[in-house]
Amino acid sequence: AQTVTQSQPEMSVQEAETVTLSCTYDTSESDYYLFWYKQPPSRQMILVIRQEAYKQQNATENRFSVNFQKAAKSFSLKISDSQLGDAAMYFCALQGGSEKLVFGKGTKLTVNP
Amino acid sequence: NAGVMQNPRHLVRRRGQEARLRCSPMKGHSHVYWYRQLPEEGLKFMVYLQKENIIDESGMPKERFSAEFPKEGPSILRIQQVVRGDSAAYFCASSPWFTGGSQPQHFGDGTRLSIL
Repeated sequence: AQTVTQSQPEMSVQEAETVTLSCTYDTSESDYYLFWYKQPPSRQMILVIRQEAYKQQNATENRFSVNFQKAAKSFSLKISDSQLGDAAMYFCALQGGSEKLVFGKGTKLTVNP
Repeated sequence: NAGVMQNPRHLVRRRGQEARLRCSPMKGHSHVYWYRQLPEEGLKFMVYLQKENIIDESGMPKERFSAEFPKEGPSILRIQQVVRGDSAAYFCASSPWFTGGSQPQHFGDGTRLSIL
């Protein structure tokens, strides 16, 4: 079975500072994809960033970047220059060997002005 | 450029009634997925459908829940004889083909089901 674990139920960061959200996963698949989704209070699921497991280079999207450690099965999200609009629930997700996305329980990020 | 459309946005039912949730995938997408999000939880996979076919229903509860994606019209998630434990947000996602993750799934805004 595939699992995704987010060990930080809540995190907070000061505006303009950097924060890192943790995620570990387990899968027996050799080919898989990892995702971070943002869910603001409006409840939309917004794709933040995607990583292909066979690529060693860490994905980046503007202020968002990941630290992908394949051997450790770790996939953390770094948000630089945090903005008030970054406040949301963040979900780590895994897809491998099927069309199912497996989600973690989420981390609630608060951004303090 | 309409995205994935779900309706209603919020649905209230009394215990024992039926709930029908609708999902229209993005234009050009023929694969639909349903996920359920219980309070304070992440999303959990329920079912994966193509037009007129259920491909994977391994996440569906064995009783009272069913899903379809007809040749014409939206995908429907149907919950019969609802109970309080069915209260959750139900999300639909779509993709153009079997992607294995190479193309991200596009999500709708969800339907929040409340059971009185």
